[in-house]
Amino acid sequence: DTEVTQTPKHLVMGMTNKKSLKCEQHMGHRAMYWYKQKAKKPPELMFVYSYEKLSINESVPSRFSPECPNSSLLNLHLHALQPEDSALYLCASSQTGTGGNQPQHFGDGTRLSIL
Amino acid sequence: AQSVTQLDSQVPVFEEAPVELRCNYSSSVSVYLFWYVQYPNQGLQLLLKYLSGSTLVKGINGFEAEFNKSQTSFHLRKPSVHISDTAEYFCAVSDPFGGGGNKLTFGTGTQLKVEL
Repeated sequence: DTEVTQTPKHLVMGMTNKKSLKCEQHMGHRAMYWYKQKAKKPPELMFVYSYEKLSINESVPSRFSPECPNSSLLNLHLHALQPEDSALYLCASSQTGTGGNQPQHFGDGTRLSIL
Repeated sequence: AQSVTQLDSQVPVFEEAPVELRCNYSSSVSVYLFWYVQYPNQGLQLLLKYLSGSTLVKGINGFEAEFNKSQTSFHLRKPSVHISDTAEYFCAVSDPFGGGGNKLTFGTGTQLKVEL
C-alpha cells in the first residue's frame, strides 16, 4: 500500500474536456510534486509545491494547472489537452522542499488517455 | 548541472543468479543518490539512498549499492534475484543546494528481467 493516494487510477477524456487529478498524503510532508511519465521513460518533473507555494514550474503548458489547497492535497487541473499528453501522471511528496536529502514517496499514478 | 547515466537499458538474468545494475553520475557538487524500483502499473518505490557516511548502503528486498566517489558510480547489486524482482529500476541524483524542491534527476532506467 502506498502512502500517497492518487485518484482516479484511469482517466479517458476528449480534447475539449476539463478534468482534475487528485493526490493526497497524510505523512505531514510539506513538499509535493507532479511528474509525467511516458512508457519506457523516466518520470519528468512538472511542478513542485513547497509549503503550499508553487516553487518549480518546469515550463509546463498552461493547459496543465496545479493547485495545492492545503499541505495534504495536490490537484492537477486539465483543460484542452492534446493526444501527446497521454501518459502516467505521478504524484510524490517529501518531508520538506529543500536540502535534497529527503526521498520522495510516490503514488501509483493516474493513467491518462486523450482521445 | 547534474546528470545520471544508466549504462544498460535491459538486464536479463536467471533466477537465483547475482545481478548488478550500473549507475554513473556527474555533478560539480556533493550529491545525494537514490535507487527506485517501478513494478508494472505502479508508482516508484524507494529501494535505498546514499546521503553520507558509509559507502555501502543496504536497502529493501535484499538490494545494496556502493557509492564510489572516485568513479562517480552508485551501482545496485543483489546476490540472488527472484522472479518478483522483474521491474524497471531508476537511479536518481538530488542537488543538496537545490532550493524550492528536492529536484531529482533520473537516469533512463534499466529493465531487469528475471527468467526461470
